[in-house]
Amino acid sequence: AQKVTQAQTEISVVEKEDVTLDCVYETRDTTYYLFWYKQPPSGELVFLIRRNSFDEQNEISGRYSWNFQKSTSSFNFTITASQVVDSAVYFCALGAPYGGSQGNLIFGKGTKLSVKP
Amino acid sequence: SAVISQKPSRDICQRGTSLTIQCQVDSQVTMMFWYRQQPGQSLTLIATANQGSEATYESGFVIDKFPISRPNLTFSTLTVSNMSPEDSSIYLCSVSQGMNTEAFFGQGTRLTVV
Repeated sequence: AQKVTQAQTEISVVEKEDVTLDCVYETRDTTYYLFWYKQPPSGELVFLIRRNSFDEQNEISGRYSWNFQKSTSSFNFTITASQVVDSAVYFCALGAPYGGSQGNLIFGKGTKLSVKP
Repeated sequence: SAVISQKPSRDICQRGTSLTIQCQVDSQVTMMFWYRQQPGQSLTLIATANQGSEATYESGFVIDKFPISRPNLTFSTLTVSNMSPEDSSIYLCSVSQGMNTEAFFGQGTRLTVV
């Protein structure tokens, strides 16, 4: 079975603090993809990153960084020097090229991040 | 990237009625999907909209309740039929060219059933 677990339901930090959002996944596929999306209060889903199962290099994009570890089935997301505009719900998602449904994603329950000034 | 236009952005509907949500993409895409996000919850896949054939529904979702059309590679509709308050959710259209590309989402339709 495929599953994504985001154990942190809500996190509250003060601006400029670093914060890490955890994501643990389960899959029996050897080829799979992991995603992070941001959902601000307006409701749209904003794509942040896609990582395939063969690429374990960490990635940094500005204040965002991602740590992918296959050994622990984790794909954690860190925001450095958080800002109020980072306040949103963040979803981790898993995708696998199985059957005829390539492209559909399995989402975690999301982590609501509140950054206070 | 793909630009997705989803209409309506929100609606308040009476129970027992139906609402059709439209999803228009600015380019031809292989895969189109419909998701539901109930209040405070995560996204759940309703179905895969297949061009030229019937949609493929996930467990717990049926065609009579959520009929889907996909007449071409840039457009799809989802109808929420015989609505009840439990159908109050955000419905999102998503497109993809396959798993090795991003899945893009429309801005969602916020549906409230009263």
